[in-house]
Amino acid sequence: NAGVTQTPKFQVLKTGQSMTLQCAQDMNHEYMSWYRQDPGMGLRLIHYSVGAGITDQGEVPNGYNVSRSTTEDFPLRLLSAAPSQTSVYFCASRRSLGANTGELFFGEGSRLTVL
Amino acid sequence: AQSVTQLGSHVSVSEGALVLLRCNYSSSVPPYLFWYVQYPNQGLQLLLKYTSAATLVKGINGFEAEFKKSETSFHLTKPSAHMSDAAEYFCAVTYRGMNTGNQFYFGTGTSLTVIP
Repeated sequence: NAGVTQTPKFQVLKTGQSMTLQCAQDMNHEYMSWYRQDPGMGLRLIHYSVGAGITDQGEVPNGYNVSRSTTEDFPLRLLSAAPSQTSVYFCASRRSLGANTGELFFGEGSRLTVL
Repeated sequence: AQSVTQLGSHVSVSEGALVLLRCNYSSSVPPYLFWYVQYPNQGLQLLLKYTSAATLVKGINGFEAEFKKSETSFHLTKPSAHMSDAAEYFCAVTYRGMNTGNQFYFGTGTSLTVIP
């Protein structure tokens, strides 16, 4: 059971380039989300999805796009990378919204550097 | 507004000493509370969670936390620190009955150093 899988683990971009961070989960979780982690700021929610075809913005959505075509996958797209997007990105999922006690399961993170 | 405050961004303890990491939450509705641990270059792992059953919650690796509604606190403790406990710890909260994605709110984290 792989859990939440993120790729790539490391990426270096130049300002203005675009890229997609991949996230897949094999737990049949309805809820999936993307966070960024920056020193001293904890984890901040970028976008989330409560099921296939349904996405919504979190706390810091600017500069990022998401889509959810399947239950398993939730890619995060950087449209035009900026140095301020240098961060560690985590994908996380949880089971059905009806089970409000469910914890988030995290991937191992994707470390992005924008030059 | 819902939020989580972790007091002390860095905590140092001697090996074998008590570990106490503080977490206070702000909420207008009953919360669900979580502690996560993050080892270097890894994702977050669940240590324990409070979901309205017993107020004293036991987790993995000898950690426990007590939900105190009157103090709006959920402090994490371990009686005797081990070198392997050195990591970043995050407190998080979510809320009952919300339909807006059941968002989690994370504290800014506490880095625990264990001194031999």
